[in-house]
Amino acid sequence: DSGVTQTPKHLITATGQRVTLRCSPRSGDLSVYWYQQSLDQGLQFLIQYYNGEERAKGNILERFSAQQFPDLHSELNLSSLELGDSALYFCASSLSGLSATQYFGPGTRLLVL
Amino acid sequence: GESVGLHLPTLSVQEGDNSIINCAYSNSASDYFIWYKQESGKGPQFIIDIRSNMDKRQGQRVTVLLNKTVKHLSLQIAATQPGDSAVYFCAERPANQGAQKLVFGQGTRLTINP
Repeated sequence: DSGVTQTPKHLITATGQRVTLRCSPRSGDLSVYWYQQSLDQGLQFLIQYYNGEERAKGNILERFSAQQFPDLHSELNLSSLELGDSALYFCASSLSGLSATQYFGPGTRLLVL
Repeated sequence: GESVGLHLPTLSVQEGDNSIINCAYSNSASDYFIWYKQESGKGPQFIIDIRSNMDKRQGQRVTVLLNKTVKHLSLQIAATQPGDSAVYFCAERPANQGAQKLVFGQGTRLTINP
């Protein structure tokens, strides 16, 4: 158990809908990262937050957004969902922005029908 | 994209034997490397890391070797056990991109045969 929690574990929704994925980092970690894992693209970095502020952006679509709250939990919002958004979404956390060791949560499996 | 399309290499090893998983990384400016293990239905689990100023690091039953000349990373698992069966990913941190994102390799599926 990495100490990173994610909810929900599974999510089934329809195209065009909007969902919110939630992540709680390990106790004491200030940085949160979001990754997407699909069969054809592997693990792709989406976005990083550090102590409430966006720190880095990767291959994140404009339909997707994220935020980190004062209690350091983070949410990833996916809107106007398409079939191709079906994937595993992982959250990871690290102690600080300078510490590269990231610990991953169990993921949320999203299925868009 | 930074993570190439998946034609996942596979490696089958007899239980008790040693295994070596290889990874070619892409960015010569990367200064930190991590190996992760991902079991089916779970998130990637940290195994071992190494900084670019080192060429070898040992953990419990695992050793990571780094060859910066040819941009190659390997993970050696000694005395493999059934629980070692998983997909193993190497990840690099590009130091010249001003962020802490990790770039993952495609992964290798390791199967331990009883």
